[in-house]
Amino acid sequence: AQSVTQLDSHVSVSEGTPVLLRCNYSSSYSPSLFWYVQHPNKGLQLLLKYTSAATLVKGINGFEAEFKKSETSFHLTKPSAHMSDAAEYFCVVSDRMDTGRRALTFGSGTRLQVQP
Amino acid sequence: GAVVSQHPSWVICKSGTSVKIECRSLDFQATTMFWYRQFPKQSLMLMATSNEGSKATYEQGVEKDKFLINHASLTLSTLTVTSAHPEDSSFYICSASLTGDTNYGYTFGSGTRLTVV
Repeated sequence: AQSVTQLDSHVSVSEGTPVLLRCNYSSSYSPSLFWYVQHPNKGLQLLLKYTSAATLVKGINGFEAEFKKSETSFHLTKPSAHMSDAAEYFCVVSDRMDTGRRALTFGSGTRLQVQP
Repeated sequence: GAVVSQHPSWVICKSGTSVKIECRSLDFQATTMFWYRQFPKQSLMLMATSNEGSKATYEQGVEKDKFLINHASLTLSTLTVTSAHPEDSSFYICSASLTGDTNYGYTFGSGTRLTVV
């Protein structure tokens, strides 16, 4: 079975400082991993995805994430936070189940707050 | 890029009535669409997988007679909440995979806020 753990439910940073949102996963097979952002009352927007290519993945809006198989982690980072980054962030794993069907599992989410 | 349009963005209905939510893939064909439910300050929970031309696959604990899903074309899936009650109030989000292989990620609709009074 696959699972996703977002280690922080809430992260607060000052504008211009680095952002780190942590995500650990477990998977029986070779997973694909995603980070999505959700602004209030909005759908989810894909930030970046890892699909067994380069382990350092660059996404939109200056975000990037590194897939570390040995640590089963896929942490999201950004060098300098912007006020517009304040939102809910979800780490998601996609893996093939025993039935052969692919399934998405969502982390519980991390709310990022950016202070002026 | 792939765009999924969801309508309405919000709806208020009376207890006992039914509400239909539409999910359209605007610039690609989606043989499979997914319906999620999100409670306040919580993550997304998959309700069902909608397959074009066949019956939807529901997750454990989701009442198929209450949440009717129809996927009659390659660009449209609908979720109907039948005989809605206040406990059905939630944020519903649909998504579709661009290629059918979920390694390419999902595109999500903008969500529908349902309030049952």
